Amino acid sequence: KQEVTQIPAALSVPEGENLVLNCSFTDSAIYNLQWFRQDPGKGLTSLLLIQSSQREQTSGRLNASLDKSSGRSTLYIAASQPGDSATYLCAVNTGGFKTIFGAGTRLFVKA
Amino acid sequence: SAVISQKPSRDICQRGTSLTIQCQVDSQVTMMFWYRQQPGQSLTLIATANQGSEATYESGFVIDKFPISRPNLTFSTLTVSNMSPEDSSIYLCSAPLAGLNEQFFGPGTRLTVL
Repeated sequence: KQEVTQIPAALSVPEGENLVLNCSFTDSAIYNLQWFRQDPGKGLTSLLLIQSSQREQTSGRLNASLDKSSGRSTLYIAASQPGDSATYLCAVNTGGFKTIFGAGTRLFVKA
Repeated sequence: SAVISQKPSRDICQRGTSLTIQCQVDSQVTMMFWYRQQPGQSLTLIATANQGSEATYESGFVIDKFPISRPNLTFSTLTVSNMSPEDSSIYLCSAPLAGLNEQFFGPGTRLTVL
């Protein structure tokens, strides 16, 4: 059974800091991995999608990597801003859009 | 990217009543999904809604409690039946954009049951 774990559960950093959010999954047989952002009480915004054959994806200040063999993904946020404060969710697609979500990392960026 | 809307955005309901949540996608999609996010928790898949067939429910979720309709390729509804306070959650629908495998989510419906 696929399980997705995110570390840390919460993170508070000063503005401008570079940071890394971690995601691990137990079964390497994945179709793709997606990182989402969720603001309090809101829906999910897709940030990056990494196919199982890819190693990384970049969008602006965000870079996500995938090491399928070790069951790990990281989301790197450069030069963090207060507007980056949100919960970041890692989601693994195991095929047929069976998506398993991690519990998320709550990020707070202090001005 | 696909645009997905949900109605209502939030509601406060009495125990024992039912609420139907609507999900509208701006393009035709084969599969739509309904998730529940309980307070402080991550998302859990309730069911997969395919047009023209019965919804497929995940373990722990049953049709009598969460009936789903999928009348066409752009619309689905989820009903939360005979509600109890434990049903207080955010309910989200999602769909993959046709031709891609990236999931897009609606804004969610925040349900509070008193």
